Amino acid sequence: DQQVKQNSPSLSVQEGRISILNCDYTNSMFDYFLWYKKYPAEGPTFLISISSIKDKNEDGRFTVFLNKSAKHLSLHIVPSQPGDSAVYFCAASVGGSGNEKLTFGTGTRLTIIP
Amino acid sequence: KAGVTQTPRYLIKTRGQQVTLSCSPISGHRSVSWYQQTPGQGLQFLFEYFSETQRNKGNFPGRFSGRQFSNSRSEMNVSTLELGDSALYLCASSLEGKGYQPQHFGDGTRLSIL
Repeated sequence: DQQVKQNSPSLSVQEGRISILNCDYTNSMFDYFLWYKKYPAEGPTFLISISSIKDKNEDGRFTVFLNKSAKHLSLHIVPSQPGDSAVYFCAASVGGSGNEKLTFGTGTRLTIIP
Repeated sequence: KAGVTQTPRYLIKTRGQQVTLSCSPISGHRSVSWYQQTPGQGLQFLFEYFSETQRNKGNFPGRFSGRQFSNSRSEMNVSTLELGDSALYLCASSLEGKGYQPQHFGDGTRLSIL
């Protein structure tokens, strides 16, 4: 049972444009959501997170939007840069002490076209 | 500030052997989690340790075990290795293990079983 889904295995975006990566979840207990970026032969790098009390969080070029009623979140990257080419993972957890288990999506490979 | 350090980076073993992987968390981080990444199953949670105690465990057989030391360093052990244990094993640490905090990952140990 895939509780966190990233339905687009890949996405290509022109440099300078907006990249939008999507993620859906089924477990209504999830209340903390994160996005990670992964380059080959490296571990995932934390990008941005959001808790369920918010619907938007922004950090520089990265913005995460959360729609709790639709159980959907998205990551916007503006403007997209060549260094953003990587695999992006969405992750979710049931927040609170002792609940460090992250459930990951299967990832979306983002390619930025110069 | 040093990140999460995992050793060794690469390991080759044969079926039936056992293996121990090591993880040093970010200085000051007290929670350490382990994940397995495979092409077929994606990133899956193994277990999490806090103050030398396992607090949460994923759906893996008892051949997978771990421990945490008083300095928060952690080790993961896999006994009676099977071909299907070939994977990237990732360690992640977070500050207080209270949830609602991002986990930061090491670059992983690539384990190959012959």
